[in-house]
Amino acid sequence: QSVLTQPPSMSAAPGQKVTIPCSGSNSNIGNNHVSWYQQFPGTAPKLLIYENNKRASGIPARFSGSKSGTSATLDITGLQTGDEADYYCGTWDSSLRAGPVFGAGTKVTVL
Amino acid sequence: EVQLVESGGGLVKPGGSLRLSCATSGFTFSSHTMSWVRQAPGRGLEWVSSIDNNGTFIHTAYSLRGRFTISRDNATNSLFLQMNSLTVEDSAIYYCARGMGSTWFGYWGQGTLVTVSP
Repeated sequence: QSVLTQPPSMSAAPGQKVTIPCSGSNSNIGNNHVSWYQQFPGTAPKLLIYENNKRASGIPARFSGSKSGTSATLDITGLQTGDEADYYCGTWDSSLRAGPVFGAGTKVTVL
Repeated sequence: EVQLVESGGGLVKPGGSLRLSCATSGFTFSSHTMSWVRQAPGRGLEWVSSIDNNGTFIHTAYSLRGRFTISRDNATNSLFLQMNSLTVEDSAIYYCARGMGSTWFGYWGQGTLVTVSP
């Protein structure tokens, strides 16, 4: 059970926009930067977004991140078939067992 | 180009030990925090442990303390994870990761598979 909540799956048609939410609390998202990772089946995760809204090197502008209060979102605009992957949010959790935490991941399907 | 190459995974019996290695190149190893993250089959990402650039600060997931030990050798640009008293729940792909900015997981290796089975 992750302290960060993501929907298990989302889908949209090519060219459309998908917004992936990541919900947390004041002990994590509310007071720390959020990162987003993309993972294709059988491959390693890849950093997409760090410090809430900064794109990692080589990441197209179609991917954007934002944070408000205890929630964060990853937007993917102009959805492409090659965007079909799992997406994870991550941040630091300052609770008793402090450390980095990840959401359970959202599987994005391009219809 | 940043390269992280994990090795040392394999099949081990419950109660056994394993030492994972991560060979790095393409960046100044001694300048970066390094981490291990694991992913059980069909499951999400789980942070394991991190070590700062000179090995002074080590942080390990609460549930793994006492069994897993992270270390590094800046002379050989290598990261290690010693895993003891392994259980079936430790079966996972173990990824080595390099920090970037405020995130500990800016770059990832391809992972090494650890299977704990009787």
